[in-house]
Formats: sequence, C-alpha cells, structure tokens
Amino acid sequence: DAGVIQSPRHEVTEMGQEVTLRCKPISGHDYLFWYRQTMMRGLELLIYFNNNVPIDDSGMPEDRFSAKMPNASFSTLKIQPSEPRDSAVYFCASSRRGGQGQPQHFGDGTRLSIL
Amino acid sequence: AQTVTQSQPEMSVQEAETVTLSCTYDTSESDYYLFWYKQPPSRQMILVIRQEAYKQQNATENRFSVNFQKAAKSFSLKISDSQLGDAAMYFCAYIRGGSNYKLTFGKGTLLTVNP
Repeated sequence: DAGVIQSPRHEVTEMGQEVTLRCKPISGHDYLFWYRQTMMRGLELLIYFNNNVPIDDSGMPEDRFSAKMPNASFSTLKIQPSEPRDSAVYFCASSRRGGQGQPQHFGDGTRLSIL
Repeated sequence: AQTVTQSQPEMSVQEAETVTLSCTYDTSESDYYLFWYKQPPSRQMILVIRQEAYKQQNATENRFSVNFQKAAKSFSLKISDSQLGDAAMYFCAYIRGGSNYKLTFGKGTLLTVNP
C-alpha cells in the first residue's frame, strides 16, 4: 500500500510569495494531520481533520496559514504571504478511525525555505 | 497541558550492544497512549512501537522494547543488538484518550551507532 504522499519534497521561494504544500493521505484513513518541525520548537501539530472537516486548528500560527481538505484523498496547507520564519519541514500524517491509539503514519515531509 | 521530556539530547552505542533512551511525560489523564518514532537522516518519521496506558505489559517489536512505568510516568525505549541502521533521531510522543487527537512530541534523542 502507498504511504502518505507529500509534494513538493523541497520548496525554496522568496519572502512574500504564496506557498502551497500538498498531501495525499493513505486510502481509508479518516484523520489527516499537518505538523511543522523546527530546531527551536520541535514537532508541532498545526491542524487536523476528521472526515475532511477541520477539528482543531489551534496550532496554526497565524492567519497567513490556511489548510483545506476538499476530499478524502487530498489536503493543502497554504502560507500567504510567506516569511523567512516559516522555514521548516512540514509533515502530513494520517490515521484510521478507532481512537487515539491508532498510529499516525507520516509522509516524507516538505522542506520549506523562505529567502 | 501535557508535556513530554527526553532528557538525553544525544546518545551513542556500539554496534551489537544495547542502549536505552529515556522519556518522561506529565499528565493527569488515566487513558492515553505512548509512542516512539524514529527519524533517520532521510527525514521520514517511522513508528517504532506503541503502548496503551491501560496495559501493564510492556510492548515489544523485535529488537525494540519499552519499559513503561505508569506511576513514575516513564516510558523508556530499549534497543537490543544495535545496528548501524538504528542511527536516527528518536522521538517519544503522547496522546490522551477521549476526543482530542493531538500528538505531543518530545524534543528527541539523537542516537549514534558506532561500528
């Protein structure tokens, strides 16, 4: 079975530009999570969806960040406008229903560099 | 708020030897789950092992096992017969039962395996 697929793997862009990160969860998984990883703050949950509906977005740092899940097989995380402090590795993860004990399966991440 | 503490920023082990990585957590919940994830240089987050808080028996997965001490809120990972491929950053993570799916990670322990 295919794992969680993220694109692009690397993104380098200039400050002020719009950035869109993409994620395809594992088929059949009901939960989708977006994380950000930095040296200073470690891994932080930004937002998660259940059945395409955003459940908890309390980790989204600012209004410049938005996430959508238009269908069960696709989600985007958008930053507009981007800033250098947004540079990080962004992970998407998914899990099946069945409670919090279900492990979250991670994609390979997108390394984002804002110049 | 729940916190996860990994007190060892770095550890090293000789190939074929055993190493134990420490993790403590702070929670007032009785229903929760604990995980160890591995992040090799390739950046992928890989689930190593999972423990349900209501289970007294320690989880094992081949060469990986945990020492779960619920009263002490301790969850250490033991790697036996260490291999070069075990070299990675290891993250301890906590998620509580109930309706919230927020996974809280520790800062990680960088494991080096010496040949």
